[in-house]
Amino acid sequence: GENVEQHPSTLSVQEGDSAVIKCTYSDSASNYFPWYKQELGKRPQLIIDIRSNVGEKKDQRIAVTLNKTAKHFSLHITETQPEDSAVYFCAASFNQFYFGTGTSLTVIP
Amino acid sequence: KAGVTQTPRYLIKTRGQQVTLSCSPISGHRSVSWYQQTPGQGLQFLFEYFSETQRNKGNFPGRFSGRQFSNSRSEMNVSTLELGDSALYLCASSTEQTTVSEAFFGQGTRLTVV
Repeated sequence: GENVEQHPSTLSVQEGDSAVIKCTYSDSASNYFPWYKQELGKRPQLIIDIRSNVGEKKDQRIAVTLNKTAKHFSLHITETQPEDSAVYFCAASFNQFYFGTGTSLTVIP
Repeated sequence: KAGVTQTPRYLIKTRGQQVTLSCSPISGHRSVSWYQQTPGQGLQFLFEYFSETQRNKGNFPGRFSGRQFSNSRSEMNVSTLELGDSALYLCASSTEQTTVSEAFFGQGTRLTVV
């Protein structure tokens, strides 16, 4: 089955700096790659997603890049703010979601 | 539009008991999937239902089962509870098959097995 690895597990950045979270996957059949943000005690919420026919997607301060050849995709958050502090999960999907183990991001004011 | 609703929010059960969790999807959503979330393990896929049929199943023992009703509401059952079943159980709904479109999560049911 699919195996999704996510790094780093924890990340601390100064407010205003950029944050990058990376994920790798193993199954070349995976064709949908969403990113979810989960604040403490709250439900995961989709923040951005990308499909396998697209290399990059951007939504304001958030961007995702996908390299199908290397089987990795990354989340980029620019101009980080304290409210970006949360756990972020990547996922790869073909017929079911396989989630990474999460990255706990702390933005220091 | 109401979001995904899971009941109950918290449960405490004893080893060996069984438990049933409920998930009401967003109106119009026909796909419901279930996940187990534990610290360090992230989100583990349990199963997905679409139009009352189980479409996919994760790698969990047969003690974990589910079903979906004609109104798309879904239930998950765990029999013969073990201490290791303590976790946050999340369900997610989607208009289509969850795995190719945005999944909207419920707030989860926190199950503690003692």
